[in-house]
Amino acid sequence: TQLLEQSPQFLSIQEGENLTVYCNSSSVFSSLQWYRQEPGEGPVLLVTVVTGGEVKKLKRLTFQFGDARKDSSLHITAAQPGDTGLYLCPIQGGSEKLVFGKGTKLTVNP
Amino acid sequence: SQTIHQWPATLVQPVGSPLSLECTVEGTSNPNLYWYRQAAGRGLQLLFYSVGIGQISSEVPQNLSASRPQDRQFILSSKKLLLSDSGFYLCAWSVGQYNQPQHFGDGTRLSIL
Repeated sequence: TQLLEQSPQFLSIQEGENLTVYCNSSSVFSSLQWYRQEPGEGPVLLVTVVTGGEVKKLKRLTFQFGDARKDSSLHITAAQPGDTGLYLCPIQGGSEKLVFGKGTKLTVNP
Repeated sequence: SQTIHQWPATLVQPVGSPLSLECTVEGTSNPNLYWYRQAAGRGLQLLFYSVGIGQISSEVPQNLSASRPQDRQFILSSKKLLLSDSGFYLCAWSVGQYNQPQHFGDGTRLSIL
């Protein structure tokens, strides 16, 4: 069974700070998705990383897939209150299933 | 474009009452459909998924059931709700297999009194 750990579980920062959250596993993934869930809403897909070492940028968000495809990171530059939410990186749980962990709950204070 | 509708947005039910939550998808055919529950402080737990009409896979033993009477309709039900059924219920859809993104509805906040 593949296991994936997200860290930190909670993160509270001030507006303008930079931060990095991580997804780590002992297993190799063919690809990995990142979602953000805002309070009271469903998760929304941010990005999918596929190639080892791949870096994708979405405005102030930078996603990196580890060279060995066992881990991924999300770096946010100059965080804003609108970045507040639960960041999730599920793993493939079967041909049509994703397995979500607890994610990283980010709070950006104005 | 594809859309997913989930209702109601909030629901307060007494213990022992029945439940029916409905989810419909528009703009796609033969989607995979999912029901998740998110309890406070916990991750998204997959309850049921379906790859076609009448095909339901249950992920965890529980007090709930799911049905897919039409291609783009997914229903979550219970005959008698328990206090532990409280939570945030999310419906999602995807197409294809392996590493396909899932698209979520806005969720139903269910409170059991």
